[in-house]
Amino acid sequence: EAQVTQNPRYLITVTGKKLTVTCSQNMNHEYMSWYRQDPGLGLRQIYYSMNVEVTDKGDVPEGYKVSRKEKRNFPLILESPSPNQTSLYFCASTKSGQGGEQYFGPGTRLTVT
Amino acid sequence: AQSVTQLDSQVPVFEEAPVELRCNYSSSVSVYLFWYVQYPNQGLQLLLKYLSGSTLVKGINGFEAEFNKSQTSFHLRKPSVHISDTAEYFCAVSPNDYKLSFGAGTTVTVRA
Repeated sequence: EAQVTQNPRYLITVTGKKLTVTCSQNMNHEYMSWYRQDPGLGLRQIYYSMNVEVTDKGDVPEGYKVSRKEKRNFPLILESPSPNQTSLYFCASTKSGQGGEQYFGPGTRLTVT
Repeated sequence: AQSVTQLDSQVPVFEEAPVELRCNYSSSVSVYLFWYVQYPNQGLQLLLKYLSGSTLVKGINGFEAEFNKSQTSFHLRKPSVHISDTAEYFCAVSPNDYKLSFGAGTTVTVRA
């Protein structure tokens, strides 16, 4: 089954404790992205990747890091999480030439206390 | 840069009534247009998309949208809603394959 998977689905952590949210897709898509969803703001793009070792900032990159060492994986790293990063996070992948149609993962709900 | 405005944050509607969700966008370049739906406690699912061609686009679950270039709008419609259409709906635009800008969302609540 074609899908985007994220782990963990739920995470509660404390300020300053480094964490990684994993994302994997099995569709051989070139592009992958991370978004955060906040009430009243919709989804905002954090980072995106156009292929292995090629990443770029989205609209809200501060406080986040990403890497793309393999085509299928695109982890999101919070090196020193803060309470304002409490949010619902989505990973997505896109096939080249599809006009940006994104396939979304199930989401990761992160709470930073 | 692109921006998306969804003109209604909440739309209550009775079952079997029609619904229209309004979306306006601004962009200095041509864009692709999307509507996504998010059911409670779930991820996002594509409803429909406009890449080119006919300005009336049909999607899943009986939804359709019309692209109006002169008004920079992409309104979503359904002639008769069901309880199961209760969800949050997002309009989005993209100038390429990897950059997507979303509106703030419209919550549709269908009542019996």
